Amino acid sequence: GESVGLHLPTLSVQEGDNSIINCAYSNSASDYFIWYKQESGKGPQFIIDIRSNMDKRQGQRVTVLLNKTVKHLSLQIAATQPGDSAVYFCAENMPGGYNKLIFGAGTRLAVHP
Amino acid sequence: DGGITQSPKYLFRKEGQNVTLSCEQNLNHDAMYWYRQDPGQGLRLIYYSQIVNDFQKGDIAEGYSVSREKKESFPLTVTSAQKNPTAFYLCASSASGAGGYEQYFGPGTRLTVT
Repeated sequence: GESVGLHLPTLSVQEGDNSIINCAYSNSASDYFIWYKQESGKGPQFIIDIRSNMDKRQGQRVTVLLNKTVKHLSLQIAATQPGDSAVYFCAENMPGGYNKLIFGAGTRLAVHP
Repeated sequence: DGGITQSPKYLFRKEGQNVTLSCEQNLNHDAMYWYRQDPGQGLRLIYYSQIVNDFQKGDIAEGYSVSREKKESFPLTVTSAQKNPTAFYLCASSASGAGGYEQYFGPGTRLTVT
């Protein structure tokens, strides 16, 4: 398949371990944050989102934590599986009239059996 | 089966030729977007449209053009003025308005210009 990112930071984990992917966002006024998963050669796929009035949100096997004090976002994946191997992007919504998302550079997650 | 489609998946063109990438959605979304993705980088916004017959430049609009004649369709033309057109192009759609909404992405078109 096509390579999404050749020089991205990589997080390597063992199958079954928990994964934590971190993201620093840029604008303290951002009010909406979203995590996407992108497999090689495919479009990004929604994982979970969170609004700025929340600190934590849980989905199925995933949790997003938002620390507005230090402008930090994290994605926790429980019991990581080989199918979780992909590039993960965080994005923030810049307030001001339309749904503009600013994407981070991404982190590659490599899950080893 | 709702979704967003892009065609073709792979596209090859000679330098100096214009090329149009297709994007169609049946999600009834007002807003549509075009992004460019290069290796090792995140997504960069080329153009966006919040409603039919209206669109605005994103962060890297030079060398690109779009139209929005129908709610379902938002084609992107990569012109010969784009200095480095080889990239992975992604189309997305979402509900419109302020406050932040999930953008739904298509499968992408990989354009190679030689």
